Amino acid sequence: GAGVSQSPSNKVTEKGKDVELRCDPISGHTALYWYRQSLGQGLEFLIYFQGNSAPDKSGLPSDRFSAERTGGSVSTLTIQRTQQEDSAVYLCASSPRDRGRAGPPYEQYFGPGTRLTVT
Amino acid sequence: QQQVKQSPQSLIVQKGGISIINCAYENTAFDYFPWYQQFPGKGPALLIAIRPDVSEKKEGRFTISFNKSAKQFSLHIMDSQPGDSATYFCAASRGNAGNMLTFGGGTRLMVKP
Repeated sequence: GAGVSQSPSNKVTEKGKDVELRCDPISGHTALYWYRQSLGQGLEFLIYFQGNSAPDKSGLPSDRFSAERTGGSVSTLTIQRTQQEDSAVYLCASSPRDRGRAGPPYEQYFGPGTRLTVT
Repeated sequence: QQQVKQSPQSLIVQKGGISIINCAYENTAFDYFPWYQQFPGKGPALLIAIRPDVSEKKEGRFTISFNKSAKQFSLHIMDSQPGDSATYFCAASRGNAGNMLTFGGGTRLMVKP
């Protein structure tokens, strides 16, 4: 079946511009995660959506970053007034559901990422 | 604060040899420890995972060893193959906190033919 898809695959933008990155999770997956992969910081969590609950934004590095998930499916990560340090690969992952306290762990399936370059 | 430390950063192994990658964690609330494999231009893919109630898990050529008291876990790749050449990440998560993954810094493995 179809995996997690992300678009665009590459994005080059000028410093100060806003960008939107899109994630289409696996159909039926209720949990959705955004991560960032950069040379300096490695792989780091950004934001997490689970069903209709309020998102966990604890990993967002600044208020220039925001994300939304419409209809419990597609998610968009928006970066306003981009800076050169925002250059990274932005990865989206989805999971059948959150484990919760006692449930078994659920694998996170990653998309191929969007490579963002801020010039 | 780096909650998951991974070593080595890079590793070169001959074909047929054993590749060993180590990770250490700090947060005792972590209760799920996966390893991910990543090829260039691709997203990470789950390789194998373990929970702290077992000390070892084996799947094919891949084995996780887990030492709860030392807060350490490692990945062993037996009979390493050139196709195993990739970047490997250990990770940890908490089931009661959204299961978001905290990753180690990654190990770039090269298996020479």
